[in-house]
Amino acid sequence: GAVVSQHPSWVICKSGTSVKIECRSLDFQATTMFWYRQFPKQSLMLMATSNEGSKATYEQGVEKDKFLINHASLTLSTLTVTSAHPEDSSFYICSARAGTTQETQYFGPGTRLLVL
Amino acid sequence: GQNIDQPTEMTATEGAIVQINCTYQTSGFNGLFWYQQHAGEAPTFLSYNVLDGLEEKGRFSSFLSRSKGYSYLLLKELQMKDSASYLCAVRPQGSYKLIFGSGTRLLVRP
Repeated sequence: GAVVSQHPSWVICKSGTSVKIECRSLDFQATTMFWYRQFPKQSLMLMATSNEGSKATYEQGVEKDKFLINHASLTLSTLTVTSAHPEDSSFYICSARAGTTQETQYFGPGTRLLVL
Repeated sequence: GQNIDQPTEMTATEGAIVQINCTYQTSGFNGLFWYQQHAGEAPTFLSYNVLDGLEEKGRFSSFLSRSKGYSYLLLKELQMKDSASYLCAVRPQGSYKLIFGSGTRLLVRP
């Protein structure tokens, strides 16, 4: 099956710093990648849709200047949490869609962010 | 807007059958997905329904009724490892994004 990786798996940072999370599709080209956030005991909340070579589409209520998304290639998307604060502490998960014939989104293992 | 409802928690016995329901109200519909998520891990794909009816895949089956805005995930011959959260997600028309329900935490007891 399709494999999606994320790096890092864990990150602890000080308040005010920026954190970059990478999402890679390892064995397929991902025309679209999605970024989700999940707080404890809650479901996944879609943050943004990332298409290769174009600007990301953000969901309502998600600050595009705080959560910078770059989808520079068909196998890599990055999410940068700028000036992170403790309330940004969460589980960030990416998913990737292979193409027009693939209906399934494949999820990465997630990145747990703790902002002190 | 979108609204997806699932029971918060369910408990079942090892070896039994459990049905997890999901109702949805969305502005357009282009498929319903079920994912399994163990604590602290990413979701894994279980099933996809876009037409009415039952899709069977091993111990897991998923049903969809578009007219009723209703789906269920049926788990047979429950095993302890099936204890997890089960997420229902709908794909709106004209988009590839997924809108997730709040998830159902299933506890399988011996």
